[in-house]
Amino acid sequence: EIVLTQSPGTLSLSPGQRATLSCRASQSVTSSYLAWYQQKPGQAPRLLIYGASSRATGIPDRFSGSGSGTDFTLTISRLEPEDVAVYYCQQFGRSPPITFGQGTRLEIK
Amino acid sequence: QVQLVESGGGVVKPGESLRLSCAASGFTFSDYYMSWIRQAPGKGLEWVSYTSGGGSTIYDADSVTGRFRISRDNAKNSLFLHMNNLRAEDTAVYYCARMAMGQFDYWGLGTQVTVSS
Repeated sequence: EIVLTQSPGTLSLSPGQRATLSCRASQSVTSSYLAWYQQKPGQAPRLLIYGASSRATGIPDRFSGSGSGTDFTLTISRLEPEDVAVYYCQQFGRSPPITFGQGTRLEIK
Repeated sequence: QVQLVESGGGVVKPGESLRLSCAASGFTFSDYYMSWIRQAPGKGLEWVSYTSGGGSTIYDADSVTGRFRISRDNAKNSLFLHMNNLRAEDTAVYYCARMAMGQFDYWGLGTQVTVSS
């Protein structure tokens, strides 16, 4: 099983700052199959980034993804209050085919 | 626009069964893999099961293998999750999601399943 470990667990930053969220895989992940999701309080998750670095429809360019192999990063530049959420990475691959990271909680001071 | 609407959740006792439904609209349902994902109270996301567009390929998480069964009716644009022998640890919000390249590009709002004696 590919385990995805996200860090930090919680991130507390001020508006306008840059957030850097990490997702580390226990085995190499095909970049085409690495995604990031945003889940705001009380809402369903929303796809932010697919294929490790492509923004989903309607996602502002403040959100960017990068990485390959076992290390992936979600960067949110110029934080806004509406970015308060839990962010999850997810991979699709070998058995079991789909796993999520445990999430990073982003707080805005 | 793409819409996914789950239904069928509720409160059941351990060992009982439940069937969840997901009504899809706004896209050609049979063209897409579909999946169920759940989220226990205060916890993260856990993938449960997926099925291919035609329903011939099915994959379940180890935690539900032998108890849950995913199915679909493409004529009715509907996805189902048949849940048997429910346990307290199955208590969660269950989301239906469309899959594209192994990722979940659209999600429903979820339906709550509570297993309690």
